[in-house]
Amino acid sequence: GAGVSQSPSNKVTEKGKDVELRCDPISGHTALYWYRQSLGQGLEFLIYFQGNSAPDKSGLPSDRFSAERTGGSVSTLTIQRTQQEDSAVYLCASSLMYSNQPQHFGDGTRLSIL
Amino acid sequence: DQQVKQNSPSLSVQEGRISILNCDYTNSMFDYFLWYKKYPAEGPTFLISISSIKDKNEDGRFTVFLNKSAKHLSLHIVPSQPGDSAVYFCAASGLGGGSNYKLTFGKGTLLTVNP
Repeated sequence: GAGVSQSPSNKVTEKGKDVELRCDPISGHTALYWYRQSLGQGLEFLIYFQGNSAPDKSGLPSDRFSAERTGGSVSTLTIQRTQQEDSAVYLCASSLMYSNQPQHFGDGTRLSIL
Repeated sequence: DQQVKQNSPSLSVQEGRISILNCDYTNSMFDYFLWYKKYPAEGPTFLISISSIKDKNEDGRFTVFLNKSAKHLSLHIVPSQPGDSAVYFCAASGLGGGSNYKLTFGKGTLLTVNP
């Protein structure tokens, strides 16, 4: 299976704790994206990595959110001091770097903040 | 400010008939449009896309139509099958670079195909 892989699939944690979500993109895809889907909402862009370029962090909702991508492959999204409004499904996608290539999504991490 | 709108939260059709899902957008910089299908507890699955230089793209039972002047696109599924029952998301990207940039999504339409 060469799809986008995300872990964990579910995460329940207490308010105020830090969480790390992992994404393993499709091999050869240089572009990687994080989105989140809150209850009853569409998918909301968070951050975008393309090759060695500086990431586009314009969608991150607060400075409690950060992400990194090591070696141009695996990415980790970190949420510090979690709040209840952070509860959502966090989705990762990857794509080829060429024009008009679709993004392919993983199954997401369902994050619940108690 | 919702830049991509799917005004029908749900749609129900009979098996074998045509399903038409609609999407409107407001940002004239969008130049690449996609449809995704999503089952519960799974990530969105790419279905079909269209570039702004085209007005139609077809793939099997799925056809996407783009009307740039109206800023409107639609997804036609013919014939509809019960396995098509899912939430369908319309998405758009722009900045002249195709999909290698962030997608803006609609809120989705739940399609139910009745046997």
